[in-house]
Amino acid sequence: GAGVSQSPSNKVTEKGKDVELRCDPISGHTALYWYRQSLGQGLEFLIYFQGNSAPDKSGLPSDRFSAERTGGSVSTLTIQRTQQEDSAVYLCASSPAPGTHSYNEQFFGPGTRLTVL
Amino acid sequence: RKEVEQDPGPFNVPEGATVAFNCTYSNSASQSFFWYRQDCRKEPKLLMSVYSSGNEDGRFTAQLNRASQYISLLIRDSKLSDSATYLCVVMGAGNNRKLIWGLGTSLAVNP
Repeated sequence: GAGVSQSPSNKVTEKGKDVELRCDPISGHTALYWYRQSLGQGLEFLIYFQGNSAPDKSGLPSDRFSAERTGGSVSTLTIQRTQQEDSAVYLCASSPAPGTHSYNEQFFGPGTRLTVL
Repeated sequence: RKEVEQDPGPFNVPEGATVAFNCTYSNSASQSFFWYRQDCRKEPKLLMSVYSSGNEDGRFTAQLNRASQYISLLIRDSKLSDSATYLCVVMGAGNNRKLIWGLGTSLAVNP
């Protein structure tokens, strides 16, 4: 079946502009995660959605970052007034409902490479 | 102290070698543990979960020592295709399903 998809695959923007990154999780997966990975660095957790529960936003680095998940499926990560330090690969992952097979595994999309000039 | 720490690497080994990666975690309440693999400029993919009793999948063996808060991954008979970054990952306790990622250890298997 289809995996996690993300769009755009690459985004180049100017400092100060807003950007929106999209994630389509695997159909039926209840959990959705956003991470970012800077060059040569590990994955940094940003935000986590689980079903209808309030999202865990503890990893968002500043109030310029926000995310929403509509209808329990597609998610959009928005970065306002982008800065050069926001340049990174933004990765989305989804996982099945608790109690189902592989529910602890996170399936990643290919990422969006964001470059802020 | 980082929540998940790994050998810094890189590891350069010849084909056929056995290589071991180590990882320590700081939260003793952590419940689930994983090794992910990430190829250059690609997304991470689950290699294997790590169980208390230890588990093996072909050439790969994972071990967990809860008392020492230590996780290991052993790769036997290394192949060129094993070249990648190996990420140690820990999931929080209870309903906290946030994954905490190590920085990864780079492995290069040489002909």
